Amino acid sequence: KNEVEQSPQNLTAQEGEFITINCSYSVGISALHWLQQHPGGGIVSLFMLSSGKKKHGRLIATINIQEKHSSLHITASHPRDSAVYICAVPTNTGNQFYFGTGTSLTVIP
Amino acid sequence: GAGVSQSPSNKVTEKGKDVELRCDPISGHTALYWYRQSLGQGLEFLIYFQGNSAPDKSGLPSDRFSAERTGGSVSTLTIQRTQQEDSAVYLCASLWGGPGTGELFFGEGSRLTVL
Repeated sequence: KNEVEQSPQNLTAQEGEFITINCSYSVGISALHWLQQHPGGGIVSLFMLSSGKKKHGRLIATINIQEKHSSLHITASHPRDSAVYICAVPTNTGNQFYFGTGTSLTVIP
Repeated sequence: GAGVSQSPSNKVTEKGKDVELRCDPISGHTALYWYRQSLGQGLEFLIYFQGNSAPDKSGLPSDRFSAERTGGSVSTLTIQRTQQEDSAVYLCASLWGGPGTGELFFGEGSRLTVL
């Protein structure tokens, strides 16, 4: 069993749709990271959160520590949002991260 | 610089040759990670440096791989006697403090192709 599970694995949406990507984890954590990787591109950090909710533009991330679950929401999705979204949590030693397998999002114009 | 800088961005080499990949983290970031990403795959942990502590080398796939971090800043990942299965994008990431204390910043990666 993976320490971090993401769903869905693949997601196709029409431009303008509201999108939700889910991340569940099984370890105790100090913080959870959401990352974005465009095709052929580098990895960008979107959020680091340890409680509650954070918002950057059209992106919103929430976390429920008790339920060990986080969601990434994209409002008014746009084709440029097409990317792989990755959830990551630190290991207990803090030396590494457990990464989810990623959610590949395609937003169609 | 403002971000994590990696060089070279692309490297094509022949099987059996040695390669060096460089990572220049964000100034002041004490933690530095090397990951590798094969085509269509997730991130594979290689090594972790934190300040002056001994590095966590538990992810290095073989003794052909080594890394060092000089002066707590620039890091070099060396692959000796490269094999075709070493072909991948090698990513460096840094953050201030530990994994629970700051955002993780990645470089653009070094794409290694072993012929």
